[in-house]
Amino acid sequence: KAGVTQTPRYLIKTRGQQVTLSCSPISGHRSVSWYQQTPGQGLQFLFEYFSETQRNKGNFPGRFSGRQFSNSRSEMNVSTLELGDSALYLCASSLSGRVPDTQYFGPGTRLTVL
Amino acid sequence: QQQVKQSPQSLIVQKGGISIINCAYENTAFDYFPWYQQFPGKGPALLIAIRPDVSEKKEGRFTISFNKSAKQFSLHIMDSQPGDSATYFCAASVNYGQNFVFGPGTRLSVLP
Repeated sequence: KAGVTQTPRYLIKTRGQQVTLSCSPISGHRSVSWYQQTPGQGLQFLFEYFSETQRNKGNFPGRFSGRQFSNSRSEMNVSTLELGDSALYLCASSLSGRVPDTQYFGPGTRLTVL
Repeated sequence: QQQVKQSPQSLIVQKGGISIINCAYENTAFDYFPWYQQFPGKGPALLIAIRPDVSEKKEGRFTISFNKSAKQFSLHIMDSQPGDSATYFCAASVNYGQNFVFGPGTRLSVLP
């Protein structure tokens, strides 16, 4: 069974640009969550989508948005990039988004903002 | 109140030794406490998890101890191996959701 895949793996952008990251969950998984990982702030929850609806949202500015498609694939968009947005963006999927279902993480997209 | 504190920041253990990582929380609404293991270049992977109605859970060499009154929980890795060298994160969530609050992580190095 294929794991969670994220594309691209690496991305370099400049301040002010926008970026779209993609996540393909494990087949059959309907919940997709996004996390930001930085050395300073650690792992922080961005948002979760379930059946194309945002079900939970973390404490991030409106520049961070996402969506989920009918095939459960998800995209995350960051507009007006800032230097502080440089981070590893992780996507995770699970069957229902509820425990005891296991949440599986992808390898992440490394975003560098110059 | 949403924070999860974790210590130590880094840990060096000899092969065969016991690794102990501690976490503490304030939010009594947390009802699920997983531990994740992350290797360089990889996403975190669920290691073991516990609910607050259980004081201890063991899976192989990994044990979670949970103290509800103290609002603390810990991960014990018995017979630590060099392959256990990774960063470990404790986490917590409410209402059995998976929008986890993560601790800052502990970098474990197991010396051969």
